[in-house]
Amino acid sequence: NAGVTQTPKFQVLKTGQSMTLQCAQDMNHNSMYWYRQDPGMGLRLIYYSASEGTTDKGEVPNGYNVSRLNKREFSLRLESAAPSQTSVYFCASSVTTSGGAGTQYFGPGTRLTVL
Amino acid sequence: GQSLEQPSEVTAVEGAIVQINCTYQTSGFYGLSWYQQHDGGAPTFLSYNALDGLEETGRFSSFLSRSDSYGYLLLQELQMKDSASYFCAVSSAAGNKLTFGGGTRVLVKP
Repeated sequence: NAGVTQTPKFQVLKTGQSMTLQCAQDMNHNSMYWYRQDPGMGLRLIYYSASEGTTDKGEVPNGYNVSRLNKREFSLRLESAAPSQTSVYFCASSVTTSGGAGTQYFGPGTRLTVL
Repeated sequence: GQSLEQPSEVTAVEGAIVQINCTYQTSGFYGLSWYQQHDGGAPTFLSYNALDGLEETGRFSSFLSRSDSYGYLLLQELQMKDSASYFCAVSSAAGNKLTFGGGTRVLVKP
């Protein structure tokens, strides 16, 4: 089991360029998430997908779009990158429960720099 | 919305005990989780409390008081490898959506 995988690991963009961050999980989890983490800060939720076919905005969705391609894959797209989007991006997945068990499994992260 | 407060940094020596407090404000509270993150790494799950009381997992314990909107993570017999950031997170809706605190950086000295 690879768990949660993310590509690429590192990326440098120029302002205005676009890119898609890929995430896949092999744990048969229903829910998937995208977070960003700025230096010395906690994680902030960008978008999440509670189940295949649904996506919802998190705390900081502006400037991002997502696609839940199938149960395994959840991608994050930056249409026109800005320096404020320089951050580390983490994808996570979890089993969906009505009780909100809160156990999320994280990928290794993508370190994005926007010049 | 939700908000969480935890200390920014704690320093202790090997073998000591450290308590990281977390206070939260949220509606529709489900539970409090703790995650560990080493520098350059990904967060990893440590513990989850949905009910009041203490949960023990080896050298780490986590406590929750729902009436006080307060929890803590207790790290015992500190080891150098415990140097990391520790995040509390509240889940407040179905679907395991989490809101994270800003993190507490723990530095363990020899």
